[in-house]
Amino acid sequence: EVQLLESGGGLVQPGGSLRLSCAASGFTFGSYAMTWVRQAPGKGLEWVSTLTGSGGSADYADSVKGRFTISRDNSNNWLYLQMNSLRVEDTAVYFCAKSATGNSQSSNDYWGQGTLVTVSS
Amino acid sequence: DIQMTQFPSTLSASVGDRVTITCRASQSIRSWLAWYQQKPGKAPKVVIYKASNLQSGVPSRFSGSGSGTEFTLTISSLQPDDLATYYCQQYNSYPYTFGQGTKVEIK
Repeated sequence: EVQLLESGGGLVQPGGSLRLSCAASGFTFGSYAMTWVRQAPGKGLEWVSTLTGSGGSADYADSVKGRFTISRDNSNNWLYLQMNSLRVEDTAVYFCAKSATGNSQSSNDYWGQGTLVTVSS
Repeated sequence: DIQMTQFPSTLSASVGDRVTITCRASQSIRSWLAWYQQKPGKAPKVVIYKASNLQSGVPSRFSGSGSGTEFTLTISSLQPDDLATYYCQQYNSYPYTFGQGTKVEIK
């Protein structure tokens, strides 16, 4: 059974940093691209970043480019999102999601339950 | 960036009604479109992928159509369990943008 479990969310001051983690199980982790999607309170979904299965190529939303870094540990089945220079508008539930196919041009067939990041002074 | 425009933003229908949601892309995305269902407080769940393919385990009352810039999600006979917000997402090119969502309410 595929499972994705995010952790690392919390309250952080503007300008601060946070690292989100996503523990994956139930599939061959390194064979699938992985994605972070966020949802601000009461708002819609926003794609944040996708990383290929090998970890060799990443793409980012303009809103987070230069501040967030996606990475993965294929040996231990972990996905990460390092978030620096956080802004109030980064406040959201962050979901990790698995690509349905072996490449990054894919829908996402499994999602974690999300972790809440609150940026506030 | 490709803009995804979804309408209506809210839809109220009765059980058994046929319901259609439209998603329009600002440029051609071929068939690289997914539809997600999100129930309150839950993670999204893929319903349709590559414009018209029903995700495994999703009821057959859901269907998707379209290509290029115009896409539709149809629920042939609305059920109480379909109460949710539905999002389209293009994955033709980065950034993989979502539509703003359609909230489906049961009358």
